[in-house]
Amino acid sequence: DTGVSQNPRHKITKRGQNVTFRCDPISEHNRLYWYRQTLGQGPEFLTYFQNEAQLEKSRLLSDRFSAERPKGSFSTLEIQRTEQGDSAMYLCASSAGSLNNEQFFGPGTRLTVL
Amino acid sequence: AQKVTQAQTEISVVEKEDVTLDCVYETRDTTYYLFWYKQPPSGELVFLIRRNSFDEQNEISGRYSWNFQKSTSSFNFTITASQVVDSAVYFCALSEERRGKLIFGQGTELSVKP
Repeated sequence: DTGVSQNPRHKITKRGQNVTFRCDPISEHNRLYWYRQTLGQGPEFLTYFQNEAQLEKSRLLSDRFSAERPKGSFSTLEIQRTEQGDSAMYLCASSAGSLNNEQFFGPGTRLTVL
Repeated sequence: AQKVTQAQTEISVVEKEDVTLDCVYETRDTTYYLFWYKQPPSGELVFLIRRNSFDEQNEISGRYSWNFQKSTSSFNFTITASQVVDSAVYFCALSEERRGKLIFGQGTELSVKP
């Protein structure tokens, strides 16, 4: 039984570079969420998908951020022209059934922008 | 506006002590859901419990218990006879009906010393 997986686990990049993260949800979970967590804070919602449709985006998700879930399975989160303020842990979660059911989180991708 | 407040930033106890983690929430919805998650040093968020706003019955699961009081908008979490393995950051979260995203508090870091 596999949980939510995320790759890479760590990414170090230079300011201005583009980065892409991948999330594989629990099999058959139709909802997939992206959150961002900075040190000492709780996770903050970025966006979520129901199947392949992106249904909500946070104002935190600037135009440098884009997320996709093309076949309703895995998802990618791309950050263009990274800034030092983008340094954070990017968490992915998935859920099934009722919209308000519990979400299961992956281990996260820690991004460091130098 | 929706908000979750965990006023206790850090709590330190000695093993076998009981400890209560406080959570206060704000929402205009009459139907909503409350959650607790544990984030151990390894970093992966672990789901603990989900309650809906119509179910104020307290719940006990082993050494864990939860006290939900709508009158004070609180959903407190008690660990009885704490153990070193309980050391982690604990997050309280809220989701509103028909909106799956989780709104997290800032977390309470619990340290259980032997």
